[in-house]
Amino acid sequence: ELKVEQNPLFLSMQEGKNYTIYCNYSTTSDRLYWYRQDPGKSLESLFVLLSNGAVKQEGRLMASLDTKARLSTLHITAAVHDLSATYFCAVEETSGSRLTFGEGTQLTVNP
Amino acid sequence: DGGITQSPKYLFRKEGQNVTLSCEQNLNHDAMYWYRQDPGQGLRLIYYSQIVNDFQKGDIAEGYSVSREKKESFPLTVTSAQKNPTAFYLCATSRIAGVGNEQFFGPGTRLTVL
Repeated sequence: ELKVEQNPLFLSMQEGKNYTIYCNYSTTSDRLYWYRQDPGKSLESLFVLLSNGAVKQEGRLMASLDTKARLSTLHITAAVHDLSATYFCAVEETSGSRLTFGEGTQLTVNP
Repeated sequence: DGGITQSPKYLFRKEGQNVTLSCEQNLNHDAMYWYRQDPGQGLRLIYYSQIVNDFQKGDIAEGYSVSREKKESFPLTVTSAQKNPTAFYLCATSRIAGVGNEQFFGPGTRLTVL
């Protein structure tokens, strides 16, 4: 059974600071997705990582995938308040079709 | 206006009632999914369908039923057998079922049992 763990689950940071969210998973996969969820809203796709060593960047967010370590990171650079949200990683099973989600990291960026 | 629509946005159910949540898409995507989200938690897969007239159970299918008679539609029925149905329900689609297909999410239905 595929298990996905995120840490930290809660993150409070100041504007302008950098931080990294980690996503570990338990079985072989080389496809991982990051999503953002605002309170009371649906999920918005952020990054699609489809191979070992993949790196994607959008604004102040950068995601990477190390399939050998079964680890993905979401790095936040110079955080701003608008980044406050819950971030989920989701890992695709090798058979395709299904995603298993982490518990989410609730990020709060304080002025 | 393309996308995924879910209705209703809010739904209240009395104990013992069955209710059906609608999910419609005009993206021409083959695969559709239903997830449940409880407060402060991640998403759990209820059912998914890769093609019309076929669907598979996810991790928490008990107390739920689905149908896939049309490509565009994947309704979810929450039956009275589901003991704790209060949750946020999200429908998702992907272009084709299989490797490396990003899932896109509808706006969700919030179900409350009175």
